[in-house]
Amino acid sequence: EVQLVESGGGLVQPGRSLRLSCAASGFTFDDYAMHWVRQAPGKGLEWVSGISWNSGSIGYADSVKGRFTISRDNAKNSLYLQMNSLRAEDTALYYCAKDATKYIWGRGKLFDYWGQGTLVTVSS
Amino acid sequence: EIVLTQSPGTLSLSPGERATLSCRASQSVSSSYLAWYQQKPGQAPRLLIYGASSRATGIPDRFSGSGSGTDFTLTISRLEPEDFAVYYCQQYGSSPAFGPGTKVDIK
Repeated sequence: EVQLVESGGGLVQPGRSLRLSCAASGFTFDDYAMHWVRQAPGKGLEWVSGISWNSGSIGYADSVKGRFTISRDNAKNSLYLQMNSLRAEDTALYYCAKDATKYIWGRGKLFDYWGQGTLVTVSS
Repeated sequence: EIVLTQSPGTLSLSPGERATLSCRASQSVSSSYLAWYQQKPGQAPRLLIYGASSRATGIPDRFSGSGSGTDFTLTISRLEPEDFAVYYCQQYGSSPAFGPGTKVDIK
């Protein structure tokens, strides 16, 4: 059974940093691309960032480019999101999502499994 | 950048009825890279349909997808109590975009 468990969320002041983690199990982690998708309270879904199976390709939404950094550790079956210079508009539930393919381009960014999310609240 | 529009915003139906949800893209979706997700309150989204018409693993056959180009449809043939939820369409491949969602609630 595929399991994705996010952690690291919390309340943080504007301008500060936070690092999210996602622990994966139930599938061969290094065979798939992985992503972060967020959902602001009461709003829709927004893709944040994605990383290919071997970290060779990385992408970011324009809204987080230059502030967020995605990474993965295939030896630990883990995905990370380093979030710097946080803003109030980054407040959201952050989901870790598994891609159906190895890649974030081409047929990539089809999210076949999702974690339950970790809540990030940016407020003074 | 492709923009997805979903209609209606809310669909009020009774169990057993047929639900038809629409997703329209601002430009043609390449290779029918169009997916549908279901999200229930307090839960993560679940993939229902990919490639516009292929059901994901474990999805009941009362869910079906159709369409191509800029117009796509998700049909739920007979609503079960557990189907009342929000449904999002998504274009995948290059720049992923989600539609704003259609809420299917109980009439």
